[in-house]
Amino acid sequence: DTGVSQNPRHKITKRGQNVTFRCDPISEHNRLYWYRQTLGQGPEFLTYFQNEAQLEKSRLLSDRFSAERPKGSFSTLEIQRTEQGDSAMYLCASSLDRGRRNNEQFFGPGTRLTVL
Amino acid sequence: GDSVTQMEGPVTLSEEAFLTINCTYTATGYPSLFWYVQYPGEGLQLLLKATKADDKGSNKGFEATYRKETTSFHLEKGSVQVSDSAVYFCALSPNYGGSQGNLIFGKGTKLSVKP
Repeated sequence: DTGVSQNPRHKITKRGQNVTFRCDPISEHNRLYWYRQTLGQGPEFLTYFQNEAQLEKSRLLSDRFSAERPKGSFSTLEIQRTEQGDSAMYLCASSLDRGRRNNEQFFGPGTRLTVL
Repeated sequence: GDSVTQMEGPVTLSEEAFLTINCTYTATGYPSLFWYVQYPGEGLQLLLKATKADDKGSNKGFEATYRKETTSFHLEKGSVQVSDSAVYFCALSPNYGGSQGNLIFGKGTKLSVKP
């Protein structure tokens, strides 16, 4: 399967714990995006990378959220000191930026986080 | 800021009925517009897109036309099938200097098609 993969698919944690999610994009894609989706809402943009550079992080929901893409391949999203309000689906998408407008973003299946 | 508004669901139709899901947007400049679909248990998939005014995107019998004068991108299909049952998301990507290519989504419309 050469699509975007995300692990784990489900994560249940207790309030106050740290969690980390992983995203493996399509191998030749240089852009990687993270979104959050809560019940009944569309995905909400969090951050994105062009290769290993994080070019936008002001949309991250708080300073408890951080993301990395150390070698320009896979990415991780970490949430520290989780709160019940962090419960959501976290989506990753990747695209190949060829300098044209609006290259298609390919989405992974998401990681569903439940904070008890 | 930029935003997308789409009709509330759920929408329930009989097989072979005509489908319209309304989508309007607010954006600076000339965004690109998309419809994504999420089938039960699956990830988001691009259904169709349009990058400039009067463009028509089409795929799998679905169509949508970029109408700048009405800031709309309504999704239509002439004859729905049970297999079209899914959640449909309208989205835009801003196209002004410094935009990042991220997508701004509507809330989604759940479609159920009955045999």
